[in-house]
Amino acid sequence: DVKVTQSSRYLVKRTGEKVFLECVQDMDHENMFWYRQDPGLGLRLIYFSYDVKMKEKGDIPEGYSVSREKKERFSLILESASTNQTSMYLCASSLTGHGANVLTFGAGSRLTVL
Amino acid sequence: GENVEQHPSTLSVQEGDSAVIKCTYSDSASNYFPWYKQELGKRPQLIIDIRSNMDKRQGQRVTVLLNKTVKHLSLQIAATQPGDSAVYFCAERGAGGTSYGKLTFGQGTILTVHP
Repeated sequence: DVKVTQSSRYLVKRTGEKVFLECVQDMDHENMFWYRQDPGLGLRLIYFSYDVKMKEKGDIPEGYSVSREKKERFSLILESASTNQTSMYLCASSLTGHGANVLTFGAGSRLTVL
Repeated sequence: GENVEQHPSTLSVQEGDSAVIKCTYSDSASNYFPWYKQELGKRPQLIIDIRSNMDKRQGQRVTVLLNKTVKHLSLQIAATQPGDSAVYFCAERGAGGTSYGKLTFGQGTILTVHP
């Protein structure tokens, strides 16, 4: 019963390409997040959204943008991919209020930029 | 902003021993502290959490301690099993405003349990 789905598990892109990472959740969650996971650095927040069309920068937003046109979908965009954006990207969602405590993660998208 | 330091980065124990992972956080207003487990190739999953109005919480073979005075928290896994081998992350949630629901994670601890 997959609840947070990331459309691509593995991607290989070239430097300068525009990259879209898609995330869809079917739990009617208000909050959605994009994290980047690198060994020794943990999970670092790129962007999050607490409502449709709303977005907030996380800790490392440089080089990224996001789009949330529908409640269930949160997209991460790399306008011009660079090699230092090679990483595992994790999408997550949560409810608002007391339910905001628990993040449900997607399986991750491993991006390699050559 | 919030910052979380986690130690050790790697931990190796024998099956049946206890494992302890420690974190230090910076935001004294943080009110919620979850621990996530990520098995190899899988997504992180919540294993236990604690709110700031508590100083100890126990689950099945796991105990989390919170010391708000010095902004420390720890996770103890008792009677470890090979299935406990994974990466463990502590996290904190800042209080109020648009940070609501946003978690800041530690760097992760790779736990290996040897049979």
